[in-house]
Amino acid sequence: EDQVTQSPEALRLQEGESSSLNCSYTVSGLRGLFWYRQDPGKGPEFLFTLYSAGEEKEKERLKATLTKKESFLHITAPKPEDSATYLCAVQALDSGAGSYQLTFGKGTKLSVIP
Amino acid sequence: DAGVIQSPRHEVTEMGQEVTLRCKPISGHNSLFWYRQTMMRGLELLIYFNNNVPIDDSGMPEDRFSAKMPNASFSTLKIQPSEPRDSAVYFCASSGDSRYIYSNQPQHFGDGTRLSIL
Repeated sequence: EDQVTQSPEALRLQEGESSSLNCSYTVSGLRGLFWYRQDPGKGPEFLFTLYSAGEEKEKERLKATLTKKESFLHITAPKPEDSATYLCAVQALDSGAGSYQLTFGKGTKLSVIP
Repeated sequence: DAGVIQSPRHEVTEMGQEVTLRCKPISGHNSLFWYRQTMMRGLELLIYFNNNVPIDDSGMPEDRFSAKMPNASFSTLKIQPSEPRDSAVYFCASSGDSRYIYSNQPQHFGDGTRLSIL
């Protein structure tokens, strides 16, 4: 069974204080790892897809990296508007043709204090 | 471009009543997913469709839950009869491009229906 564990559950940062969020996963074979951002009262918003160990992707103050067992979301010099819950999800290779099933972690709630 | 549209945004009803949640996926997407989100369990996949056909409904908690996708632009999730433990936020998501069969296309979510069963 695919499993995704995110840590920490919650993180408070001062504005400008860089940090990283962790996503550990167990999957028979990884087709893709996805990062989403979720604001209160909204649906998850897609950020990145990572496919293989060593891959990195960046968007503004966010950078996602991937190893064979975990992914990190690095936040550089965060601003209050980066406050949200960040979700990680994996898609397994054995999902089958035409199948896009994702297994989600429970997320990290990030609060950036001015 | 319009995203995934869900209705209603909020639903409050009494135990035992029938509840119907609606979803319009992004045009051109061929996969549609229904999720439930709670504080305790996070996001859980209930059922997903590919080309309007249900592929996996193993996440549907009980026979009280049913989902249909009569065409490529509309899906419903129905709970009958509803119970207080069904209270949660229900999300619909769509993904895929019919040109790519083996694809890692990301899922795009609607803003959910917050369901409260009294």
